[in-house]
Amino acid sequence: DAGVIQSPRHEVTEMGQEVTLRCKPISGHDYLFWYRQTMMRGLELLIYFNNNVPIDDSGMPEDRFSAKMPNASFSTLKIQPSEPRDSAVYFCASSSGRGAKNIQYFGAGTRLSVL
Amino acid sequence: AQKITQTQPGMFVQEKEAVTLDCTYDTSDQSYGLFWYKQPSSGEMIFLIYQGSYDEQNATEGRYSLNFQKARKSANLVISASQLGDSAMYFCAMRNTGTASKLTFGTGTRLQVTL
Repeated sequence: DAGVIQSPRHEVTEMGQEVTLRCKPISGHDYLFWYRQTMMRGLELLIYFNNNVPIDDSGMPEDRFSAKMPNASFSTLKIQPSEPRDSAVYFCASSSGRGAKNIQYFGAGTRLSVL
Repeated sequence: AQKITQTQPGMFVQEKEAVTLDCTYDTSDQSYGLFWYKQPSSGEMIFLIYQGSYDEQNATEGRYSLNFQKARKSANLVISASQLGDSAMYFCAMRNTGTASKLTFGTGTRLQVTL
C-alpha cells in the first residue's frame, strides 16, 4: 500500500515566484495535514482538512500561503509570492479519523529553497 | 494549551545497548494520545509508537517501548538493542482528543548510535 506521496521532493525557486507543493494522501484517509519544519521553529502545523474541508488554517503564516483539497486524493499548498524566509521542509500527512489512535502518516517532504 | 518538552538535544548510545529518550507533556485534558516519530537523515517522518492516556499498559512495538507515567506526565521512549540504523532525530508528539487531530511536537532529540 502506497504511503503519502509528495512532489516535488526538492524545489529551488527565486524570490517572488509562485511555488506549488503537491500531496496525495493514503487512500481511505479522511484527514490531511500540511506542516512546515525549520531549524528555528521546529514542526509547525499550517492547515488541516477533514473530508476535503479546511478545518483549521490558523497556522498559515500569511495571505501568501493557500491550500486546497479539491478531492480526497489530492491537495496543494501554494506560496505566492515566495520569499527567502519560506525556505523549509514542507510535510504532508494523512490519517484516518475512524480509529481511536488517528495516527498521522507523513510523506517524504518537499525541501523548498527560495533564493 | 498543550506543550511537549524534550530536554535532551542529543544522546549517544553504544550499539546493542538500550537508550531512553525523555518526553514530558503538559495538558489539562484527561483524554489524549502520545506519539513518537523518527526522522532519519533522509528527512522522512516515520511513526514509531502510540500510547493512549487511558491505556493501562505501556505500549510496545518491537524494540520500541513507551514508559508512560501519567502522574508525572512523562512518555519516555525506550529503544532496546540499539542499531546503527537507529541514528536519527526522534520527536515526541501529543494530541488532545478534544482538539480533533492537531499534533503538538517537541523539539526533538538527536540520537547517535556508536560502535
